[in-house]
Amino acid sequence: EVQLVESGGGLVQPGRSLRLSCTASGFSLGDYAMSWVRQAPGKGLEWVGFIRSKVFGGTTEYAASVKGRFSISRDDSKSIAYLQMNSLKTEDTALYYCSRALSGMHPLDYWGQGTLVTVSS
Amino acid sequence: SYVLTQPPSVSVAPGETARITCGGNNIGSKSVNWYQQKPGQAPMLVIHYESARPSGIPERFSGSNSGNTATLTISRVEAGDEADYYCQVWDSSHDHVVFGGGTNLTVL
Repeated sequence: EVQLVESGGGLVQPGRSLRLSCTASGFSLGDYAMSWVRQAPGKGLEWVGFIRSKVFGGTTEYAASVKGRFSISRDDSKSIAYLQMNSLKTEDTALYYCSRALSGMHPLDYWGQGTLVTVSS
Repeated sequence: SYVLTQPPSVSVAPGETARITCGGNNIGSKSVNWYQQKPGQAPMLVIHYESARPSGIPERFSGSNSGNTATLTISRVEAGDEADYYCQVWDSSHDHVVFGGGTNLTVL
């Protein structure tokens, strides 16, 4: 059974950093691109960024709202994808989901349950 | 960047047909995916590659795409279909995933 489990969320002050993890099971993480998608309270889905599989270079893409502050990495040997969030702002408060796709142009076919990040002083 | 526009809400009586639209510039040339999100749950893929249903999704769910509008159609709507629905495409010009703003489906 395919499972994605996010962790690492919590309360953090503006300007600080936080790293989220997405632990995969039931499939080979290395075969997939991994995306992060967030949802602010009461709002819609917002794509944050993704990392391609090593076959496609393992490169990353980011939404304009987080580019330069957030970075995505992966450790296929541990079946974990990461979202490093720096210089956090109050508007980054959201539920953060990880999801998988065969590549960026493919659908996000499995999602985790999300981890909540609250940025507040 | 590419923009997808959805109506904020759609209401339909049980047993009727719900149609949720997703507008975008020449969206007919793109592959559209649709996600269902029920309260307190993660999104779930219900239509991929414009009109295909993932395993386990009822035949009542279908998708179409032409010109500047993609449509998710839910036939014989049930109370359990109440949810937010999001369309999504790949913006190849910017290598970005793009979501529509979401449509709340209410079953009257």
